[in-house]
Amino acid sequence: NAGVTQTPKFRVLKTGQSMTLLCAQDMNHEYMYWYRQDPGMGLRLIHYSVGEGTTAKGEVPDGYNVSRLKKQNFLLGLESAAPSQTSVYFCASSYTDRGYSPLHFGNGTRLTVT
Amino acid sequence: AQKVTQAQTEISVVEKEDVTLDCVYETRDTTYYLFWYKQPPSGELVFLIRRNSFDEQNEISGRYSWNFQKSTSSFNFTITASQVVDSAVYFCALSSPKGGNMLTFGGGTRLMVKP
Repeated sequence: NAGVTQTPKFRVLKTGQSMTLLCAQDMNHEYMYWYRQDPGMGLRLIHYSVGEGTTAKGEVPDGYNVSRLKKQNFLLGLESAAPSQTSVYFCASSYTDRGYSPLHFGNGTRLTVT
Repeated sequence: AQKVTQAQTEISVVEKEDVTLDCVYETRDTTYYLFWYKQPPSGELVFLIRRNSFDEQNEISGRYSWNFQKSTSSFNFTITASQVVDSAVYFCALSSPKGGNMLTFGGGTRLMVKP
């Protein structure tokens, strides 16, 4: 049982380059999330999805786009990377949005933008 | 708006010492949920515990215990007889039914347990 899988694990980009982070979950969860983790700031929500074909903005959505074409996949895109987007990115999923469901996290993607 | 504060950014203890990680939260919701996650050096996030706002019973799991006090809006985490394997960053988080399961995280506390 793989749970939540993120690819790639590491990436270095130059300013202005684009990339897509892939998140896949095999738990048939409806809800998926992208967070970024920065030192001293915990994790902050970038975008989330409440089901296939839906996306919504979180706390820090600027500079990112997402897509949920298939229930099991949630993609995070950076169209023009900036050094401020250097961070560790976590994808998560849950089976309900009622607040009590623990999130299942992937292992993270460490992105460096130079 | 919801907010979670972990005032201790870093704690260092010697193995076998007891240590308490503090968590203070703010929310206007009457129903909410509090979580603790562990992030070991390998980087993954591991769910430790969830507590409902209407259940103030303390929880004990082995060497871990949690003290939830609504009167002080705190949800503190104590590790008894700490071990080197407890070295990690610990996050306290808050969610509510209105929030669609979106977690508000504290800044984390880095715990270093020295042999």
